[in-house]
Amino acid sequence: NAGVTQTPKFRILKIGQSMTLQCTQDMNHNYMYWYRQDPGMGLKLIYYSVGAGITDKGEVPNGYNVSRSTTEDFPLRLELAAPSQTSVYFCASSVAGGTYEQYFGPGTRLTVT
Amino acid sequence: DAKTTQPNSMESNEEEPVHLPCNHSTISGTDYIHWYRQLPSQGPEYVIHGLTSNVNNRMASLAIAEDRKSSTLILHRATLRDAAVYYCILRGGNQGGKLIFGQGTELSVKP
Repeated sequence: NAGVTQTPKFRILKIGQSMTLQCTQDMNHNYMYWYRQDPGMGLKLIYYSVGAGITDKGEVPNGYNVSRSTTEDFPLRLELAAPSQTSVYFCASSVAGGTYEQYFGPGTRLTVT
Repeated sequence: DAKTTQPNSMESNEEEPVHLPCNHSTISGTDYIHWYRQLPSQGPEYVIHGLTSNVNNRMASLAIAEDRKSSTLILHRATLRDAAVYYCILRGGNQGGKLIFGQGTELSVKP
């Protein structure tokens, strides 16, 4: 049982490039989330999904896209990378919403130069 | 969303108890109080949560004031591994499970 896995661990992008951050969970959780964390700050929600085929925006969705074709996977797409997207990205999952515990992945550290 | 206020940083000595405070004066009746912590270079992990009564688990205890406007996370015997940023978060049942993180309290533990 690996929990929540994220790839890659690190990535450097040039301005204007695109990439997909991968997130997979093996706990059969319905809910999945993407957060970003800037240095010295708390996490901010980018997008979330309450089940396959259903996604919704969080606090800071601009510049990102998501899809949820399976229960296990929730990739985050960056189009036209900008320096403001330099951050650490965390994926999380939970059984359901409400007060259920969220399980976080180890993060992807992204630098855009 | 109801906000929480935590001290930016706290220090503790190893093997001593630690009391991490959180103020949430605008909490609503349906908001649960959650605590997560983030060890260096890792994703956050769940610590504990409660609604009105004090709660205990293997990691910590949560003491909730009678008026629910404040709470305290208690680590009974701090270890070096407890050095982390601790986040106090309010979650209502209708928020889709979203966590709204503040800046948290950075706890350092001295040997």
